[in-house]
Parts: sequence; C-alpha cells; structure tokens
Amino acid sequence: NAGVTQTPKFQVLKTGQSMTLQCAQDMNHNSMYWYRQDPGMGLRLIYYSASEGTTDKGEVPNGYNVSRLNKREFSLRLESAAPSQTSVYFCASIGQGWYEQYFGPGTRLTVT
Amino acid sequence: GIQVEQSPPDLILQEGANSTLRCNFSDSVNNLQWFHQNPWGQLINLFYIPSGTKQNGRLSATTVATERYSLLYISSSQTTDSGVYFCAGDTGGFKTIFGAGTRLFVKA
Repeated sequence: NAGVTQTPKFQVLKTGQSMTLQCAQDMNHNSMYWYRQDPGMGLRLIYYSASEGTTDKGEVPNGYNVSRLNKREFSLRLESAAPSQTSVYFCASIGQGWYEQYFGPGTRLTVT
Repeated sequence: GIQVEQSPPDLILQEGANSTLRCNFSDSVNNLQWFHQNPWGQLINLFYIPSGTKQNGRLSATTVATERYSLLYISSSQTTDSGVYFCAGDTGGFKTIFGAGTRLFVKA
C-alpha cells in the first residue's frame, strides 16, 4: 500500500514550456486534490475532483488544467509555465465520509 | 471567503516544554483537521476534529465549533516535533482552506 504517489519529485522548466504532474492513490479514495505551497505559506487549492468523472476549480486554478483519468489517477497540467508557478505541488486524496486527508510527497517545480 | 488565522506564527521551545497552538476561523467550518509538515516537507494528518477533543500520545486537540476555533496541545515537546503545523477546514463541499501555519522549532 503506497498511499499517494507523485511524479516527478523535482522539475525545472523554462517559461512557456508545458508539463504534466502525475498523482496516483491506491486507497480506493473517491476524492482527490491538487494544492500548491509557496514559501512561508499554507497550501492553496488549485483543483479538486470529488469523484471519478468530475473536476472543479479551487482557490487558484488559473494557468492549470486537470484530468481525473480514473479513480486512482489525477493529473495536473501546466500548458505554458510561468515563473509565478514556481512552487511545491501536493496531491491529496480522501475517502468517502470525510476523514483523514492523505498527502503525496510533493513535486518541487521551478520555472525560469 | 473564509479566513483562517493561526497563532503564534513562530514558536521556539526548549525540549520538554508544553505549548498550545490556536486556529481561528472567520466563519463556521466543516471537517477541521490539523497537519504537521516535517522539515523534509512531508504532510501528515494529526487529527480530524470537527468538534470535541481527541488525544494521540503527547498531542491533543480541541475544537469549539460554535466559537469557530481549534487548539492543538503539544506536551513534553521533542526535537522531532519541529516543523510547521497547519489547520484546515471547509465551508461545505470539498474546497479546503488552510491557515498559514505555526512554525515550531524545538531545541535540544
């Protein structure tokens, strides 16, 4: 049982490049989330997927797109990276009934 | 939107000391949780505590939902308690809001 996994762990992009961050969970959770964490700040919700087949915007969705590929996987795409998207990205999942939210190890992204 | 205020923002403790961290919400929240982010960046759920009191070893938490605040107690602190403590909640649905965190450093 690996929990929530994220790939890659680190990434450096040039302005304008695109990339997809991958997230997978093996806990059969319904809901999945993407957050970003900037230095000295808490986490801010980018997008979430309440259940397979649905996605919704969070607090800071501009510049991102998501895909809930199946129940296990939830990907985050940056179509045209900007320096303001330099951050640490966390994926999380939660099971039915709203209990503990489980986080992946994070992806540290730098956009130059 | 809802505001989450955590205090104190920074805290330095001598090993063995006790502390209380506070989380205030500007509006009623559901599904209140406390997290610890260790110095390596890993986020661990400490408590799911929408109301009442829970204890887990040296840590305990109390949420008074009617007054929109929650407290995290750390007793007999250890150096491994260092890191950032976050509270988070939602106002219905799935949009979780995090506080800015309390940065704790425990000195040996």
